[in-house]
Amino acid sequence: KQEVTQIPAALSVPEGENLVLNCSFTDSAIYNLQWFRQDPGKGLTSLLLIQSSQREQTSGRLNASLDKSSGRSTLYIAASQPGDSATYLCAVFLTGNQFYFGTGTSLTVIP
Amino acid sequence: DTAVSQTPKYLVTQMGNDKSIKCEQNLGHDTMYWYKQDSKKFLKIMFSYNNKELIINETVPNRFSPKSPDKAHLNLHINSLELGDSAVYFCASSQGGSLYYNEQFFGPGTRLTVL
Repeated sequence: KQEVTQIPAALSVPEGENLVLNCSFTDSAIYNLQWFRQDPGKGLTSLLLIQSSQREQTSGRLNASLDKSSGRSTLYIAASQPGDSATYLCAVFLTGNQFYFGTGTSLTVIP
Repeated sequence: DTAVSQTPKYLVTQMGNDKSIKCEQNLGHDTMYWYKQDSKKFLKIMFSYNNKELIINETVPNRFSPKSPDKAHLNLHINSLELGDSAVYFCASSQGGSLYYNEQFFGPGTRLTVL
């Protein structure tokens, strides 16, 4: 049974700091892993998608890595900004056309 | 705001009624999806439309009927609602119809409660 855990549950950092969000999953039989951002009352915006055969993806100040064998992914955010404050979710896509979402990390970037 | 939006956010209704949930995306995507949240973090796909054509139709009761009037909209109509239909339903969209290769963007969800 797939379990997806994110650590930490909440994180508060001063503006300009680099930070790392962690995601771990128990079953490595995934097709891909996606990182999302959620703002209060809004839907989920995709940040990065990593295929199961890939090791990392980069977009602007974001870098996501995937180690399928150990069941881990990290999202690195460089030079954090107050606008980065949101909840960050990772999700794995499984056989049977199913998404399994992580527990989420609530990020606050203090100006 | 460019996003995937759903209406209503909450829907409470009596058993046996017919109801619809609407979904709109202004991301210019060509594929839209409906998911049902089976547990707090587990979403299972119900339907997928690519350019208004049905491409995925999972095993769901035929009381559920999706309708896509255009690429930007995918509505979900449910007939004769049952208690077991109570759940959160998520709409999503992507550019490209591959579930494995295309990033999906999700709406905020619609919480359906059947009494």
